[in-house]
Amino acid sequence: DIVMTQTPLSSPVTLGQPASISCSSSQSLVHSDGNTYLSWLQQRPGQPPRLLIYKISNRFSGVPDRFSGSGAGTDFTLKISRVEAEDVGVYYCMQGTQMKWTFGQGTKLEIK
Amino acid sequence: EVQLVQSGGGLVQPGGSLRLSCAVSGFTVGNNFMNWVRQAPGKGLEWVSLLYSGGYTNYAESVRGRFIISRDSSKNTLYLQMNSLRPEDTAVYYCLRGINGTGGYWGQGARVTVSS
Repeated sequence: DIVMTQTPLSSPVTLGQPASISCSSSQSLVHSDGNTYLSWLQQRPGQPPRLLIYKISNRFSGVPDRFSGSGAGTDFTLKISRVEAEDVGVYYCMQGTQMKWTFGQGTKLEIK
Repeated sequence: EVQLVQSGGGLVQPGGSLRLSCAVSGFTVGNNFMNWVRQAPGKGLEWVSLLYSGGYTNYAESVRGRFIISRDSSKNTLYLQMNSLRPEDTAVYYCLRGINGTGGYWGQGARVTVSS
């Protein structure tokens, strides 16, 4: 199974300031079809996960443009340009390149 | 509008069985790639099972041989039959529709507690 590793595990951020979360995979996430199935999920307290970004950098429907994704191969980054109060929660990276999906440990975003 | 509404969670004794349901609307369960993911209390996300539109299924090693994923196209509903339950199966279970290699749409979750 592909192991997904996130850093940091906790990120205190000031409102209005940027935030960044890194994710690395134990092997390349490039699929045989040429796509890289790396996505980012947000889980607000008490809620189910919500898809933010798919295939590295594509924002899902309704996701604000302050969220962006980048990376390639085995190293990926989620950036929030200006953190808002509603962004508090846990963020997970996830690989869908292998049939059996695997997730990062989660990064808890909190406001300073 | 895409919706996934889950039911069937609860408290069950070790060794018991439970069936989770996920009634979907806004798309056809039989034509889509469906998954179950779980989250143990205070923990991260763990993929459990998948069902392709063509009928292929697969399972995490931790549940293989005990859990069965299925669907009823006439009811537009996805199921997870869980047998021989163990305390370590205690979690919130989410059904989800896979799109673009990820979980695009998620149910609200069903809490399963395995305890005597």
